[in-house]
Amino acid sequence: DAGVIQSPRHEVTEMGQEVTLRCKPISGHNSLFWYRQTMMRGLELLIYFNNNVPIDDSGMPEDRFSAKMPNASFSTLKIQPSEPRDSAVYFCASTSRAPNTEAFFGQGTRLTVV
Amino acid sequence: AQKVTQAQTEISVVEKEDVTLDCVYETRDTTYYLFWYKQPPSGELVFLIRRNSFDEQNEISGRYSWNFQKSTSSFNFTITASQVVDSAVYFCALSESGYQKVTFGTGTKLQVIP
Repeated sequence: DAGVIQSPRHEVTEMGQEVTLRCKPISGHNSLFWYRQTMMRGLELLIYFNNNVPIDDSGMPEDRFSAKMPNASFSTLKIQPSEPRDSAVYFCASTSRAPNTEAFFGQGTRLTVV
Repeated sequence: AQKVTQAQTEISVVEKEDVTLDCVYETRDTTYYLFWYKQPPSGELVFLIRRNSFDEQNEISGRYSWNFQKSTSSFNFTITASQVVDSAVYFCALSESGYQKVTFGTGTKLQVIP
């Protein structure tokens, strides 16, 4: 299995621009998570989906952030407009159908907003 | 609300020393799951172990061992005879039964000096 695939691996953008991060979960996994990692705040859960439906988006920092999961094999996290404080590593993770199983993480997208 | 505390921010040990990483958790549930993940310098998050709240047996996997004590709400991780390749950030995490949401601690950065 190829694991969780995220793209791009690195993104540098100017403040005010729209940024879209992409994630392909492991085939057969039915839960998908978006995390943000910064030095100051550690690993924060932004949103998670179960069977393509958003279950908990309480971690999404602002309305500038939005996430979609149009099908079981693809999800996006969009930031519009981006700000320098959004600079972080964004991880996508997926878990299998069994409850409380471990999450498998992608390699992350390092976002830098200048 | 669930919470995970990793009080040790950074630890340095000399190669071949044993090291224990502490993890203390808070939850109101009687059924919950605990995890440890490793994040090497390359950045990916690697799953190490999952333990449910009904299984207090300690576990050993090679040089790694985990001590789960419900009485003190702790799930500590020991590396025996540490190696340079063990240098990484280690995260402890918690999820409550029936929920896929995982709460991570702030991580402990381990540096193993040759």
